[in-house]
Amino acid sequence: ETAVFQTPNYHVTQVGNEVSFNCKQTLGHDTMYWYKQDSKKLLKIMFSYNNKQLIVNETVPRRFSPQSSDKAHLNLRIKSVEPEDSAVYLCASSSRGRSSYEQYFGPGTRLTVL
Amino acid sequence: QQKVQQSPESLSVPEGGMASLNCTSSDRNFQYFWWYRQHSGEGPKALMSIFSDGDKKEGRFTAHLNKASLHVSLHIRDSQPSDSALYFCAASEGNNYAQGLTFGLGTRVSVFP
Repeated sequence: ETAVFQTPNYHVTQVGNEVSFNCKQTLGHDTMYWYKQDSKKLLKIMFSYNNKQLIVNETVPRRFSPQSSDKAHLNLRIKSVEPEDSAVYLCASSSRGRSSYEQYFGPGTRLTVL
Repeated sequence: QQKVQQSPESLSVPEGGMASLNCTSSDRNFQYFWWYRQHSGEGPKALMSIFSDGDKKEGRFTAHLNKASLHVSLHIRDSQPSDSALYFCAASEGNNYAQGLTFGLGTRVSVFP
């Protein structure tokens, strides 16, 4: 099956802890993204990686860091979580081609910070 | 201010009816538009893209783009219960797909029997 896979589905943690989310795509795409979807359903891009290079890094807090081992994997680490980090984190991928750069999303990881 | 604005916030449509969604960009750099749909508990999924002025039809879905006014619309014909979802308009600058997409706040569509 070709898709974007994310783990875990849910994560509950306390303020100050470190968390890490995994993302893998089997679509053969060359660019991967992390988006944050808040409680009002607003989607905002956080990072994108193209060929292991950071392309876009929006003004996210420095406690967030993307980690990529190859073009099929892009993990997200949050060093010391804050209550405002509670959200759904969505991973996506895309590539040049006939699909007009359509982005394919994973199911998301829901983070709750107590 | 949101660079991509959508209306209405929510919409109720009878099964078999037509749903019409609107999107406007305040940033002239945005030239490429997408419509995404998100069902509860899932990630967004692309419905269609539109880059040129005029209409684009894919099955029951028709998008319309007016580049002069940066207005995009989506019309869903013969609405089905499975069309109940959150619909996002998204935009990007030029052909730089690696920059990611800017999303609107979404329109929640409910299809009732």
